[in-house]
Amino acid sequence: GENVEQHPSTLSVQEGDSAVIKCTYSDSASNYFPWYKQELGKRPQLIIDIRSNVGEKKDQRIAVTLNKTAKHFSLHITETQPEDSAVYFCAASRGGGGADGLTFGKGTHLIIQP
Amino acid sequence: KAGVTQTPRYLIKTRGQQVTLSCSPISGHRSVSWYQQTPGQGLQFLFEYFSETQRNKGNFPGRFSGRQFSNSRSEMNVSTLELGDSALYLCASSLSHRDEQFFGPGTRLTVL
Repeated sequence: GENVEQHPSTLSVQEGDSAVIKCTYSDSASNYFPWYKQELGKRPQLIIDIRSNVGEKKDQRIAVTLNKTAKHFSLHITETQPEDSAVYFCAASRGGGGADGLTFGKGTHLIIQP
Repeated sequence: KAGVTQTPRYLIKTRGQQVTLSCSPISGHRSVSWYQQTPGQGLQFLFEYFSETQRNKGNFPGRFSGRQFSNSRSEMNVSTLELGDSALYLCASSLSHRDEQFFGPGTRLTVL
């Protein structure tokens, strides 16, 4: 089955700096890669996703890049703000969307230092 | 549009009991997936239902089961509860299996 590795497990950055979280996946048939943000005690929220026919996608301060050859994808957050503090999960699936069963990374605890 | 809802939000059971959790998807969504979240194992896929049929199943024992009704609402059942079943159980809905998933708030299950 699919295996998703996520690094780092904890990331501390100064407010205003950029943050990068990296994930690798094992199943070359995976074609959908979402990122979720989970604040303490709350549900995971989809913040951005990318499909395998696209190399990069941006949404304001957030971007995701995908390298299919190397089987890795990354989340980039620019101009970080205190409200970006949360746990971020990457995931992968082969169904084109999420409902074929998302395989999640272990999560990255992002801490924004004031 | 109302989001995904789950009931109950909190549940305390003892070992050996069984439990049923409920999930109501976003209106119009026909696919419902269930996940278990624990500090040690993270988020793990349990199963997915679409149009009342289980399409996919994760690597969990047969004590974990589910079903989906004609209105797309879904329930999951865990029988013969074990201490290790203590977790946050999340359901997620999507329009179809090719669309993004949106999570509910979860049911926090504690097994004593």
